[in-house]
Amino acid sequence: DAKTTQPPSMDCAEGRAANLPCNHSTISGNEYVYWYRQIHSQGPQYIIHGLKNNETNEMASLIITEDRKSSTLILPHATLRDTAVYYCIVLFPTGKLIFGQGTTLQVKP
Amino acid sequence: GAVVSQHPSRVICKSGTSVKIECRSLDFQATTMFWYRQFPKQSLMLMATSNEGSKATYEQGVEKDKFLINHASLTLSTLTVTSAHPEDSSFYICSAPDHLGTYFGPGTRLTVL
Repeated sequence: DAKTTQPPSMDCAEGRAANLPCNHSTISGNEYVYWYRQIHSQGPQYIIHGLKNNETNEMASLIITEDRKSSTLILPHATLRDTAVYYCIVLFPTGKLIFGQGTTLQVKP
Repeated sequence: GAVVSQHPSRVICKSGTSVKIECRSLDFQATTMFWYRQFPKQSLMLMATSNEGSKATYEQGVEKDKFLINHASLTLSTLTVTSAHPEDSSFYICSAPDHLGTYFGPGTRLTVL
């Protein structure tokens, strides 16, 4: 599975959009980009995933560059409850997820 | 989305005892489930892949005789930490995939005294 690189931490003002970047320059053609988040002492929560096209759901939007070497998770209106560690994972969808260190997002009032 | 449960949510045990943790897929069947361990302020580390009806596949460095995995049905996988020691204290999390995605349980906090 391709390796991902994320900034270790980010801050965002409440109500603003949070843009979390992820680099995955070694991604192969059949690998998907998944995003999960983990709020302290809970199991990871699925957010969104995509292959080539941009995706949007009720939680977030996923923007994947045309060359697929990077992506950005967008939380359109961050709230305090969005404070969590966000993980970007690239894999062929077998269900086996390998977690990196993720980005700790701190949403501030 | 699909729901995965774990039981117990917290367990405290004495050193040398064995502890069993259950992972259930509540509204779907999972031929494969995954077990992770997470130490404080660290990321999740994949321990093993649980396969229904066959032996589990362990990641490098994980002792299969210490972490016994049984996947006896399509909705239940169990992880038994045998002869637990304080260094086994951790947050244990399971996951199960269906055709739409992979879903995680809420985790089990194990404390070995």
